[in-house]
Amino acid sequence: ETLMTQSPVTLSVSPGERVTLSCRASQGVLRDLVWYQQKPGQAPRLLIYDASTRATGIPARFSGSGSGTEFTLTISSLQSEDFALYHCQQYNTWPWTFGQGTKVEVK
Amino acid sequence: QVHLQQSGPGLVKPSQTLSLTCAISGDSVSSNTVTWNWIRQSPSSGLEWLGRTYYISTWSVDYVESLKGRIIVVADRSKNQFSLQLKSVTPEDTAVYYCARVAGGIFHSWGQGTRVTVSS
Repeated sequence: ETLMTQSPVTLSVSPGERVTLSCRASQGVLRDLVWYQQKPGQAPRLLIYDASTRATGIPARFSGSGSGTEFTLTISSLQSEDFALYHCQQYNTWPWTFGQGTKVEVK
Repeated sequence: QVHLQQSGPGLVKPSQTLSLTCAISGDSVSSNTVTWNWIRQSPSSGLEWLGRTYYISTWSVDYVESLKGRIIVVADRSKNQFSLQLKSVTPEDTAVYYCARVAGGIFHSWGQGTRVTVSS
């Protein structure tokens, strides 16, 4: 099973700041990596797939990069609606596995 | 647009069976291009994939290793829905449970979530 490790666990930031979240895979997953955003009381929402492709309707301030074992989600200028929990997930190796999540909170 | 609507009890007694249903609109449970999945989320475990069902000439299921023997995921074509049964629950099964439609390994659509508490 591929273990996904996200860091940091919590990130305290101010609106307008640039945010970088990391996701590491225990073995190479090529670019088969997804990012989801989850707000309190809601289901996760697809943000980025194939490591860097934004899903329909996702603002351009969200970008993803990386391949193999190291991946990054960047929010160029954090908006108030972006405070949430972010998950990564690999779909290269069965079973699919998720990271533990990074919570982006108000500083 | 695909919509998944979950139903089922939010409280289950220890040793009993947790049963949830996910009704599908905008797609068919018999589609041969997607899989129908259950995931749960607890503060201590993050998102945990539990199991799936899918149809490619015949019905198939896959389960997470840790729940094999306790979990059943089954589709109902007549009602265009799929369900989760988790037997012999303990307080460790307390979580928010989600159903999801998956294509190409990507969880595109999610149900609204059901908070299930295992308690007497």
